[in-house]
Amino acid sequence: DTEVTQTPKHLVMGMTNKKSLKCEQHMGHRAMYWYKQKAKKPPELMFVYSYEKLSINESVPSRFSPECPNSSLLNLHLHALQPEDSALYLCASSQQQGAGTDTQYFGPGTRLTVL
Amino acid sequence: DAKTTQPTSMDCAEGRAANLPCNHSTISGNEYVYWYRQIHSQGPQYIIHGLKNNETNEMASLIITEDRKSSTLILPHATLRDTAVYYCIVKTPRHNEGGKLIFGQGTELSVKP
Repeated sequence: DTEVTQTPKHLVMGMTNKKSLKCEQHMGHRAMYWYKQKAKKPPELMFVYSYEKLSINESVPSRFSPECPNSSLLNLHLHALQPEDSALYLCASSQQQGAGTDTQYFGPGTRLTVL
Repeated sequence: DAKTTQPTSMDCAEGRAANLPCNHSTISGNEYVYWYRQIHSQGPQYIIHGLKNNETNEMASLIITEDRKSSTLILPHATLRDTAVYYCIVKTPRHNEGGKLIFGQGTELSVKP
């Protein structure tokens, strides 16, 4: 089983709202990732958690706040977003960050629209 | 920046083999070649990866040239459901950029009846 689940599938929020995206995996993976994908563009890495600690932050604005409460869960807290933040947000997980044959498995994504 | 170059788009007839090329001329000895595909508005799906040897699984075959500067993903009998964007990615090792996947623009494969 290589399933990564994400909720919600779709989210519409105003610029003053606070919302959260959730990601879950039960494969025993110790690395989890957030990617952002704008329309007709490839996915871009935002954050990496390794063993529940933030390992990589790709200079993401502070209005995006990741959280890894345990090894199976990954959240992305959203606050004061801009319309240009509208995108598909993808979560992925892998056995162990960085190993040569470490394969990332992606969830279906959350389609976010900021009004 | 992505370390790979792929054609922007390709067509393939249903039932025929789809051969998707990828150039990665600056690949290092410990970097793996990974292939993912993304069907419209879904998450990327892992297909296959390799280091030096050719690899085959239930989805595809990966042919890597001896000098490792290019590779080809082969879908042996393409179906309409294989229509997707295919990404060839050179995966950075742990000590350098934490094993990140850096996606390029990919190849948009259209399988036609």
